[in-house]
Amino acid sequence: DVKVTQSSRYLVKRTGEKVFLECVQDMDHENMFWYRQDPGLGLRLIYFSYDVKMKEKGDIPEGYSVSREKKERFSLILESASTNQTSMYLCASRPGQSYEQYFGPGTRLTVT
Amino acid sequence: SQKIEQNSEALNIQEGKTATLTCNYTNYSPAYLQWYRQDPGRGPVFLLLIRENEKEKRKERLKVTFDTTLKQSLFHITASQPADSATYLCALGDQAGTALIFGKGTTLSVSS
Repeated sequence: DVKVTQSSRYLVKRTGEKVFLECVQDMDHENMFWYRQDPGLGLRLIYFSYDVKMKEKGDIPEGYSVSREKKERFSLILESASTNQTSMYLCASRPGQSYEQYFGPGTRLTVT
Repeated sequence: SQKIEQNSEALNIQEGKTATLTCNYTNYSPAYLQWYRQDPGRGPVFLLLIRENEKEKRKERLKVTFDTTLKQSLFHITASQPADSATYLCALGDQAGTALIFGKGTTLSVSS
């Protein structure tokens, strides 16, 4: 079974802090994604990566950056956390030869 | 801009009945459409994919139809069970498979 793990299930940070969210997949997938999910807004794509060191902006990249130094790991960075970044963050991976995405359990981030 | 709508936020049905969920989209020509299941506090789980040149796909008690003329997909769960209670998301993808556009989801409740 494909396994996508995220470093924390729950996280509480203060405004202005730098926040790192880590995602690791164990199936050698080429593509990895970061989404945020908010009530009434659904899942929105922040960034994705189709290869090591490659990244593409999604629909809402402002206030975020990403890093992919190794194929299995995709990190989301909030350079200076703000209260409007309080959300559920979901990581996903996808193999190169198919379209279905495999999601991690999510990190519920609260910025106070 | 692209828009994807799942026309019911919530759907309540009795055990044993068929649940039918609808996904409509505009301003987009997807290469495929996917359905995911999401339980509270968890990441979405892939269920089915249907391509633009397919009319219908089945998997056990699940059936998906795709009408590119109407720009609509219907998702059916036959002989529904309380364990089917969850939020169901539809998602559109392009040929490049780079990113999905998700609907906001329909929360299905099956009562015994």
